[in-house]
Parts: sequence; C-alpha cells; structure tokens
Amino acid sequence: KAGVTQTPRYLIKTRGQQVTLSCSPISGHRSVSWYQQTPGQGLQFLFEYFSETQRNKGNFPGRFSGRQFSNSRSEMNVSTLELGDSALYLCASTPPGHGTGELFFGEGSRLTVL
Amino acid sequence: DAKTTQPNSMESNEEEPVHLPCNHSTISGTDYIHWYRQLPSQGPEYVIHGLTSNVNNRMASLAIAEDRKSSTLILHRATLRDAAVYYCILRDVPYSGAGSYQLTFGKGTKLSVIP
Repeated sequence: KAGVTQTPRYLIKTRGQQVTLSCSPISGHRSVSWYQQTPGQGLQFLFEYFSETQRNKGNFPGRFSGRQFSNSRSEMNVSTLELGDSALYLCASTPPGHGTGELFFGEGSRLTVL
Repeated sequence: DAKTTQPNSMESNEEEPVHLPCNHSTISGTDYIHWYRQLPSQGPEYVIHGLTSNVNNRMASLAIAEDRKSSTLILHRATLRDAAVYYCILRDVPYSGAGSYQLTFGKGTKLSVIP
C-alpha cells in the first residue's frame, strides 16, 4: 500500500514568489492535514481538509492556503514568499471511521526561500 | 490540547531498554496519549497510543500512570534505527471518532543510541 506522497521534495524560490505543494494521501483516506516544521518553531499545524472542506486552520497568515480535490488529493499554496517561510512542509492523512485518528505523514517538501 | 513536558534529550546504549518519560498533569478524561517519532530527514511516524491501560505493539510499550498525569514510552531493545525525536502528544477525540485531526507537537525528546 503506497504511503503519503508529497511533491516536490525540494524546491528553491525567491522572496515574493508563490509556491504550490502537492499531497496524495493513502488510498481511502479522506482527511488531509498540513504542518510546517522549522528549527525554531518545531511542528506547527497549518490546516486540515476533509471531503474537500477545510475543517480546521492553524494560526498562520492568509498567505497560506490550501484545497482538497474530490479524489482527496490536496494542495497548499503560499503566496508572496518570505524568508521565514523556509521550512519542511509535511502532509498527513488519516484513515476513515472510528478510532483515535492516527496520522500518516509523508516525507515532506523542503522549501528554501532566498 | 493539553500540554506535555518531555526531557530535551536522552541517550541509550544499543540493545538496552529505553524509558522515555512524558508529564501531562493537565490531562483531561477524554485525552488520548499519542507517541510519534521522527527519524532524521523523514516525516513523523506513529508509534503507539493509549487512554488508561498500558498498551503494547510491535514497536513499543506505553505505560500510563494510574492518575494519567504521566506516561512512559518503552523501547524494549534500542537499535540504531530508533535514534529519533520522540513526541508525546495529547489528543481529545470525540467518541464518534469525528472531528478535526489536529496534533499539537511539543519539542519532543531527542534519543541518541550509542553502538
């Protein structure tokens, strides 16, 4: 069974540009969440999508946005990039049904903003 | 989510047991205790979770104090592959299993395994 796939794995952008990151969840998983990881702030929750609807949002500026498609694939977008947006962006998916919501993480997309 | 406290770092010798502590004195009755670990250059990986009783799986054991204010993740025989940052997280899960799957990560414990 394929895991969570994130693309691209690495990318370099310059300040002011925008970036789109993609996440393909495990087949059958309908919840997708995004996290930002930096050395200073650690892992921080960005937002979560379920059935194409944003269900929860972390404390990030409006430059950070996302969406989910009908096949559960998700994208996140960061506009007007700043140096501080350099981070590892992690996507996680969750299986449906009962349970405590174990998250399955991808390997992340490492963004460097110059 | 309620807060957890973990030591910043720990060391263990290879093939010896490791006990990783976590304090969560403000835990509520519906909070599950989750453990994740993050190996270098990888995303976090689920390890184990529990509510009140001790739990065992192929990766580790979770010992939960009777008052639930602390827990310990036990790796029975540390290997070099267990060197990672271990996160203890509390998560309130509604009985229905619905709700947002948001985890609040702390700094975690960086485990070093000495050959």
